[in-house]
Amino acid sequence: QVQLKESGPGLVQPSETLSLTCTVSGFSLTSYSVSWVRQPSGKGPEWMGRMWYDGDTAYNSALKSRLSISRDTSKNQVFLKMNSLQTDDTGTYYCTREDYYSSYIYDGNWFAYWGQGTLVTVSS
Amino acid sequence: DIQMTQSPASLSASPEEIVTITCQASQDIGNWLAWYQQKPGKSPQLLIYSATSLADGIPSRFSGSRSGTQYSLKISRLQVEDTGIYYCLQRYSNPWTFGGGTKLELK
Repeated sequence: QVQLKESGPGLVQPSETLSLTCTVSGFSLTSYSVSWVRQPSGKGPEWMGRMWYDGDTAYNSALKSRLSISRDTSKNQVFLKMNSLQTDDTGTYYCTREDYYSSYIYDGNWFAYWGQGTLVTVSS
Repeated sequence: DIQMTQSPASLSASPEEIVTITCQASQDIGNWLAWYQQKPGKSPQLLIYSATSLADGIPSRFSGSRSGTQYSLKISRLQVEDTGIYYCLQRYSNPWTFGGGTKLELK
């Protein structure tokens, strides 16, 4: 059974660093890519970055200067670190597994399995 | 970045009605579009991928279509459990971007 679960502090002070962990089960991080997606309350989601199955990373250019994604395959965990947090970084943070879907010439990955999300509030 | 503009922002419809939600891409994205449903307090669920393909386990009353850079999600015979917020997502180029969402309520 595929599961992803986010964990981390619910409250972060402005200008501080956010550290989140995504613990997965039911699959291997060396076979599937995992992305981080965040969602401010009442707004659409925002893709933050990706840990590819081969260990490479990709970031949203808007966040790249502040964001780092890493993993520990032995612990089945993917990590997110983002520094210089501000109040507009408040929202629910999700990790999501990307699955490959075949569709004629449009074969590719889509966000298929999601964690329950963890609410992060940036406030003093 | 590619902008995805969804409309309407909200709508209310009766059970058994047909509803259509649209997403306009700011440039050509081919069929690199998906639709997600999100219920209150829950994570998004994949409904449609590659613009027109139905995800596993999703009822056939959901369908997707494309006309140029405009994409549509159609729900035929609306059911009570279809309430929620619907988002489109493009993966044509990085960063992948979502639409702003359409909140669907039942009368």
